[in-house]
Amino acid sequence: RKEVEQDPGPFNVPEGATVAFNCTYSNSASQSFFWYRQDCRKEPKLLMSVYSSGNEDGRFTAQLNRASQYISLLIRDSKLSDSATYLCAVNMREYGNKLVFGAGTILRVKS
Amino acid sequence: SAVISQKPSRDICQRGTSLTIQCQVDSQVTMMFWYRQQPGQSLTLIATANQGSEATYESGFVIDKFPISRPNLTFSTLTVSNMSPEDSSIYLCSVDNPRRYNEQFFGPGTRLTVL
Repeated sequence: RKEVEQDPGPFNVPEGATVAFNCTYSNSASQSFFWYRQDCRKEPKLLMSVYSSGNEDGRFTAQLNRASQYISLLIRDSKLSDSATYLCAVNMREYGNKLVFGAGTILRVKS
Repeated sequence: SAVISQKPSRDICQRGTSLTIQCQVDSQVTMMFWYRQQPGQSLTLIATANQGSEATYESGFVIDKFPISRPNLTFSTLTVSNMSPEDSSIYLCSVDNPRRYNEQFFGPGTRLTVL
């Protein structure tokens, strides 16, 4: 089983839709969780950090479920500009500051 | 967040040669990391660049192939040695955010093509 797994996508949604991605992790000792956004041929950019149960920033909400070992990212009122690959990253304490990344979920928002 | 630059931004190299990639940060950081992202795939950590000591390599990566330097708290280099076409990838450096636990910010990446 991979350490971090994501819905493979692609998710094709119309503008204005609400879309949710899931990310499961295998190590129950994981401490902190991150969602990154990566545009084509660009570097990943940090979107949200999750240290406790969740985080919200405008149209974006991340929720952590430690019992089931997954984090989700919810995007409300999708915009064309939200089209990107969303990467989940998990820190595992025993590995120091190492982040393990999922394979990413492709989102395509269409008009 | 820190401003991170990488040089070169892209290169096309011949098999058997080596390329050194530079990563410069505009502020002192504790941790610097080197990742590889192969086409259509996610990020794989190559190593953690430690200031004043040898880099810590991940499973599957060795110092002879990917020597790393970290002479100070704002600069690191990654060398891809004796390149083969399988080394064609994007190489990214990242740095930790001293204000938020485990957050990392990425440089713009170096796109390497090996012929």
